[in-house]
Amino acid sequence: DADVTQTPRNRITKTGKRIMLECSQTKGHDRMYWYRQDPGLGLQLIYYSFDVKDINKGEISDGYSVSRQAQAKFSLSLESAIPNQTALYFCATRLGDTQYFGPGTRLTVL
Amino acid sequence: KQEVTQIPAALSVPEGENLVLNCSFTDSAIYNLQWFRQDPGKGLTSLLLIQSSQREQTSGRLNASLDKSSGRSTLYIAASQPGDSATYLCAVFSGTYKYIFGTGTRLKVLA
Repeated sequence: DADVTQTPRNRITKTGKRIMLECSQTKGHDRMYWYRQDPGLGLQLIYYSFDVKDINKGEISDGYSVSRQAQAKFSLSLESAIPNQTALYFCATRLGDTQYFGPGTRLTVL
Repeated sequence: KQEVTQIPAALSVPEGENLVLNCSFTDSAIYNLQWFRQDPGKGLTSLLLIQSSQREQTSGRLNASLDKSSGRSTLYIAASQPGDSATYLCAVFSGTYKYIFGTGTRLKVLA
């Protein structure tokens, strides 16, 4: 089984809809991250969490919110999706110097 | 502000060639640099991690070097194979809360 899983893997939605992307990990790591990747750009940090009670904004948090329901679960929400949020979204955990990435969610906002 | 650049953006080589991927960064005050591989439909996989005190790391046919003073890292792939086709990303960690990623080099190894 994969250590970091993301659901859904693909999602098409319409402008204005609320959508949640979920991330689960079996690695037991405290640190979790949400990134987005756009074509031709590097990964950009949306939110990060160092434990259940510690959630922080990254460089592009506007339009997004997160919830750390448990050590193993970190969800990303788009309250009102817009087309420029179309991207590939990655969840990651971190232990020491190494990050472990999920397989990604491809989100399309029409 | 740290910026990470990877050149070239895309590369096609025939099978068996040795090749070098480049990564440059603007702020030499880094703790480590990591090379990742990204396959379509899959997440990023860590290939090599170089601490700031190290000059290089090797894993099988892969060798990564780090020159902090010049703000450069290279990933050397020996005897390339079609299975090496993927996007390669480098990321630097400057001791804050996040890695700064480059835009990647898309590699295609032709059989």
